[in-house]
Amino acid sequence: QSALTQPASVSGSPGQSITFSCTGTTGDVGGYDYVSWYRQHPGKAPQLMIYDVSYRPSGVSDRFSGSKSGNTASLTISGLQAEDEADYYCSSFAGSSSYVFGTGTKVTVL
Amino acid sequence: QVQPVQSGAEVKKPGASVKLSCRTSGNTFSTSFMHWVRQAPGQGLEWIGLINPNGINTKYAQKFQGRVTMTRDTPTSTVYMELSSLTSEDTAVYYCAEERTGSYKRFDPWGQGTLVTVSS
Repeated sequence: QSALTQPASVSGSPGQSITFSCTGTTGDVGGYDYVSWYRQHPGKAPQLMIYDVSYRPSGVSDRFSGSKSGNTASLTISGLQAEDEADYYCSSFAGSSSYVFGTGTKVTVL
Repeated sequence: QVQPVQSGAEVKKPGASVKLSCRTSGNTFSTSFMHWVRQAPGQGLEWIGLINPNGINTKYAQKFQGRVTMTRDTPTSTVYMELSSLTSEDTAVYYCAEERTGSYKRFDPWGQGTLVTVSS
């Protein structure tokens, strides 16, 4: 199972919106609406930000939104804040009880 | 949410095995799938596998098949992951993460992580 493809880095100024992608195949992202996104600050455990493509867990800011088209999922962060600077990983169910993560995107707030 | 609590850091020699533990809330343990994910230094997340609530069924990523064993102990609400034939490439932080009833196909919450260092 190959890792999902994410851009290595994305940056934006405070208040701006950024969107980055997570590209897989019909065997994972394209085949199931079970894409989730995780934020990871340095030295910390990942934190769930989006599940089932576009749903936010309780407590997660509505500045975070997710979508999917075909084999590519996307995460949008609007109103970028300093605290959003972190690594972001997508994950997808890949059938037969297996999962795959993305390569990760480093978000920098300029 | 109550975060799973993982065992402490380990240092192992190449060829050895390591057994990690992850203790969860008793309220959710009996119905949660438990996953293990690792992260090598400066690298991304890698799914290792899962053990289902009955403790009988497991699913491992192909890369780890034959080398990983996941078990669970209901009385102590603890899951274990044993990885054998360690090499330097197994040096990583290992996380456990829950997949709770009603919150399927996502990992939440995560344990704090356990650093495993493989070095001669």
